[in-house]
Amino acid sequence: KQEVTQIPAALSVPEGENLVLNCSFTDSAIYNLQWFRQDPGKGLTSLLLIQSSQREQTSGRLNASLDKSSGRSTLYIAASQPGDSATYLCAVIHNFNKFYFGSGTKLNVKP
Amino acid sequence: ETGVTQSPTHLIKTRGQQVTLRCSSQSGHNTVSWYQQALGQGPQFIFQYYREEENGRGNFPPRFSGLQFPNYSSELNVNALELDDSALYLCASSFMGRAEAFFGQGTRLTVV
Repeated sequence: KQEVTQIPAALSVPEGENLVLNCSFTDSAIYNLQWFRQDPGKGLTSLLLIQSSQREQTSGRLNASLDKSSGRSTLYIAASQPGDSATYLCAVIHNFNKFYFGSGTKLNVKP
Repeated sequence: ETGVTQSPTHLIKTRGQQVTLRCSSQSGHNTVSWYQQALGQGPQFIFQYYREEENGRGNFPPRFSGLQFPNYSSELNVNALELDDSALYLCASSFMGRAEAFFGQGTRLTVV
């Protein structure tokens, strides 16, 4: 059974800091891995999708890496801004598009 | 915008009642999955529909049921509502064989 863990559960940083969010999973037989952002009371916004054959993906200030053999992914956010404050969810994608989510990291970026 | 639409956006029901949530999938997608997200948790897989048939189910009781229609839109039905059913319900639209999905904005269900 796939289990996805995200560390830390919560993080508070001053504006401008670079930060790393961690995601680990127990079953490495995944197709893809996807990072999402969720604002309070809202749905999921896709940030980055990493296919299983890829090692990383970049979009603007975001960079996500994937190491299937060790069951780990990281999301790197450069030069954090108050608008980055949200919950970040990691999801591994198995056969037939089934997603397994972690519980998220709640990020607060202080002005 | 993902092209996935859920209705209603918010809903309040009384314990013991029944509820139907709806999802319109993105054009060209033939698979819809439903997820339950309790407060402070990540979404949990409820079930998936592919070409109008259930194609996998998570650890949810039979009072959670669903339908997929010929246009690939979908419904999630929950009978005999319990307080713990209060959650954000998300649907995800995808094309079978492509390992990515697009999520709707969710329906917030409150059971009182």
